[in-house]
Amino acid sequence: EPEVTQTPSHQVTQMGQEVILRCVPISNHLYFYWYRQILGQKVEFLVSFYNNEISEKSEIFDDQFSVERPDGSNFTLKIRSTKLEDSAMYFCADRGRDSPLHFGNGTRLTVT
Amino acid sequence: DQQVKQNSPSLSVQEGRISILNCDYTNSMFDYFLWYKKYPAEGPTFLISISSIKDKNEDGRFTVFLNKSAKHLSLHIVPSQPGDSAVYFCAAKDFGNEKLTFGTGTRLTIIP
Repeated sequence: EPEVTQTPSHQVTQMGQEVILRCVPISNHLYFYWYRQILGQKVEFLVSFYNNEISEKSEIFDDQFSVERPDGSNFTLKIRSTKLEDSAMYFCADRGRDSPLHFGNGTRLTVT
Repeated sequence: DQQVKQNSPSLSVQEGRISILNCDYTNSMFDYFLWYKKYPAEGPTFLISISSIKDKNEDGRFTVFLNKSAKHLSLHIVPSQPGDSAVYFCAAKDFGNEKLTFGTGTRLTIIP
């Protein structure tokens, strides 16, 4: 079964540094998402992306965050200047037109 | 944000018996509900969904029931198997929005 692939599985960065989390969605899926889960908390929506633009974003997704689909296959989440509270599991997800979300296995981001 | 609640953080069930996981919601605009299962170090995996026009949906051992007047849904797993041990999240969305709102999860343990 096709999978959403995320790299790296674990990223450690220092506060104030930029990080880019990468995702390869399932081919022919059109809708892309980032969610995150801070340890012990709920899975939270960050942003949805369709037709090369953001279709919806949450209050968490402030100016420090950006998303891109630079080459038609990869889907990336960039955090410009990381804060300690950005430490979380970040999940990429996608779906086809009438299908439920499929999630990747996540990237654990640790900000020190 | 407590729009989706799973009040039982954990549940233990004997193998072969029925597991019932519950979820309550407060937002009357929600019209589509999903259950996801999550193993450690993996992303959520879609299990089953139901739209608000139905009150029951079944897929193999999994059945989801929706009671709109009570704003309550439940997931029944029968018979329960050891491989069902995982954290189960319910999630909801409303028509026209991309965002899924997740509950806090219930850790299901199947006792052999």
